Amino acid sequence: GQNIDQPTEMTATEGAIVQINCTYQTSGFNGLFWYQQHAGEAPTFLSYNVLDGLEEKGRFSSFLSRSKGYSYLLLKELQMKDSASYLCALPHAGNNRKLIWGLGTSLAVNP
Amino acid sequence: DAGVIQSPRHEVTEMGQEVTLRCKPISGHNSLFWYRQTMMRGLELLIYFNNNVPIDDSGMPEDRFSAKMPNASFSTLKIQPSEPRDSAVYFCASSTGTSGSDTQYFGPGTRLTVL
Repeated sequence: GQNIDQPTEMTATEGAIVQINCTYQTSGFNGLFWYQQHAGEAPTFLSYNVLDGLEEKGRFSSFLSRSKGYSYLLLKELQMKDSASYLCALPHAGNNRKLIWGLGTSLAVNP
Repeated sequence: DAGVIQSPRHEVTEMGQEVTLRCKPISGHNSLFWYRQTMMRGLELLIYFNNNVPIDDSGMPEDRFSAKMPNASFSTLKIQPSEPRDSAVYFCASSTGTSGSDTQYFGPGTRLTVL
């Protein structure tokens, strides 16, 4: 089976750095996605990792360790607009077109 | 460029009524996904189509739910009869290709309330 765990809520201060963790169990790894979802809006793609290591994309970076079943999203120079839910998702081991989603981490950025 | 279009954006109906949700995928995308999102269960895949053909409907909760994709630019998700536990946000998403690494692009969702 597959399982994804993320912290439910996090709080951070504008201008700071925050790390949002995602741990997973899967019988067949086919990459890991991060999506951002603002309240009342649709999820939007942030990153896709399939190899170990850190991938940087502007203020957002995503890290993956396949051996540890672990990923994190690193947000730098936090802005108020980064207040959102961050969703970790895995392609299904038996059918990689199907995504299995974590419940998301709700990030509140305070001034 | 237009993104994924969904209608209606909000729907309030009474238990027992039929509900039809509509989706227009991004032009050129050949895969379409229907999701349901609730606080308790998060995002759940209901069904997905590839080239207008239903590939996997194992996430459809029961026979009250049905989905169709008559052409490449239109899909419907129907609930008949609706029940209060169907209240959720329903998202449609589309993607190109047939790989698990393809990004899915989501529509704005339909917020369904069944009284």
